[in-house]
Amino acid sequence: NAGVTQTPKFQVLKTGQSMTLQCAQDMNHNSMYWYRQDPGMGLRLIYYSASEGTTDKGEVPNGYNVSRLNKREFSLRLESAAPSQTSVYFCASSATGQSLQPQHFGDGTRLSIL
Amino acid sequence: AQSVAQPEDQVNVAEGNPLTVKCTYSVSGNPYLFWYVQYPNRGLQFLLKYITGDNLVKGSYGFEAEFNKSQTSFHLKKPSALVSDSALYFCAVTPRGSSNTGKLIFGQGTTLQVKP
Repeated sequence: NAGVTQTPKFQVLKTGQSMTLQCAQDMNHNSMYWYRQDPGMGLRLIYYSASEGTTDKGEVPNGYNVSRLNKREFSLRLESAAPSQTSVYFCASSATGQSLQPQHFGDGTRLSIL
Repeated sequence: AQSVAQPEDQVNVAEGNPLTVKCTYSVSGNPYLFWYVQYPNRGLQFLLKYITGDNLVKGSYGFEAEFNKSQTSFHLKKPSALVSDSALYFCAVTPRGSSNTGKLIFGQGTTLQVKP
């Protein structure tokens, strides 16, 4: 029962470096999401993909790009990392539709940018 | 702007006592409402949701939540707290409608501390 798998679990970057956070789900869900979690701010949506082949911006998309590689995989890329992007990043997936289903979350990627 | 508020950063209760974690929302229409729990170094786990019907919703681990439309609230409750309930709790909402993509708006979270 893997659910939502995120890699890596931890990463330290220097300002200006780039990296891609990987996410894969094995529940055949249509929708996938990327959030960042910062203390006292809850989770904020960065990007989401309602279905394979579509992506759209969330609340805080600046500095990020995403790729919905296929139905299973949804990656998040930081092109030029900044210290303000130090955060915990969560990927989630759900089976959306008229009967709204809850989101399933990975265990997160803890990213520090120096 | 649509928002979710959890007015308490932390709630402290003694084991065996009832607990309440508060949530109010400002979202147009009749949104879907959710509670999630997060344990240290883990992702969020779904507890319960309100879609329609009975205002008292039962969920996982003995938790329940009471929906109040007039007060736009969705408070999380449990009759008897356990030490193992200690965690970070998030209220979340998503608007209804044909354009619904399941995007969630989260509150800032409430830390529940249950003491033996």
